[in-house]
Amino acid sequence: TQLLEQSPQFLSIQEGENLTVYCNSSSVFSSLQWYRQEPGEGPVLLVTVVTGGEVKKLKRLTFQFGDARKDSSLHITAAQPGDTGLYLCAGGLGNLIFGKGTKLSVKP
Amino acid sequence: DVKVTQSSRYLVKRTGEKVFLECVQDMDHENMFWYRQDPGLGLRLIYFSYDVKMKEKGDIPEGYSVSREKKERFSLILESASTNQTSMYLCASSLLGGDLYEQYFGPGTRLTVT
Repeated sequence: TQLLEQSPQFLSIQEGENLTVYCNSSSVFSSLQWYRQEPGEGPVLLVTVVTGGEVKKLKRLTFQFGDARKDSSLHITAAQPGDTGLYLCAGGLGNLIFGKGTKLSVKP
Repeated sequence: DVKVTQSSRYLVKRTGEKVFLECVQDMDHENMFWYRQDPGLGLRLIYFSYDVKMKEKGDIPEGYSVSREKKERFSLILESASTNQTSMYLCASSLLGGDLYEQYFGPGTRLTVT
C-alpha cells in the first residue's frame, strides 16, 4: 500500500521566517502534487512535480522532487500570514493518495 | 480555470434524514471524486466515477451512495444521516488519462448531523 507521510504535522512561525515541510514515501511516484487548503475551503493545487530531482518555484515557494521520486519538499522563504493553511502532498495514478498534511500558522 | 462548485457551503440535518450533496464541474473532466475530511484522519475517498453512470467504491463507502447522470454532475447521497457523518465533504474532478492526475476541488460542504 502506498503511503505519503508529511512532516512536521504542525508548524507555527513568525512572519519573515523560512520553513521547509516534507512529504516522504517508501514507494515511487510518477508525479506528486502539492495543495494548499485554507480554513473552511477546498484544497487548491499549487504545483505538480514529475521528474526526479526537479525544482519548481512559485514566487516564495520552492518545490523539489527527490531524485528517486519517493519524496518531495516545500520550502517557503520569508513566510507571510497569507501562507497560513494546510499543505497537502498527493500522488498516485488516477486515484490520488493524500498525506495528512502540515498545518502552518504564520503569525504577524 | 477549472471551476468545481458544490451546492451548499454549510448544511445542518437531523439524524435519519436523506441528504443530497451536489457537485458540478465546468471543465469536461471525466473523473469525479467525493471525499470526507476529518481532523487527524486526512482526506478519505468515499466514491469516484470515471464516466457517466459509472461509480466505484472508495475507501469508506458505507452509508453513502452516488449518482452520475450527466458528465458534469456528481451527487453524494446519505440515505439516512447519522451523527458520525458530520464532516467536511469535498468534491473533486480530474482529466482521464495523461500523466499528471491533478485534481481540482470544490469549496467543500460542512455537514452537521444532529
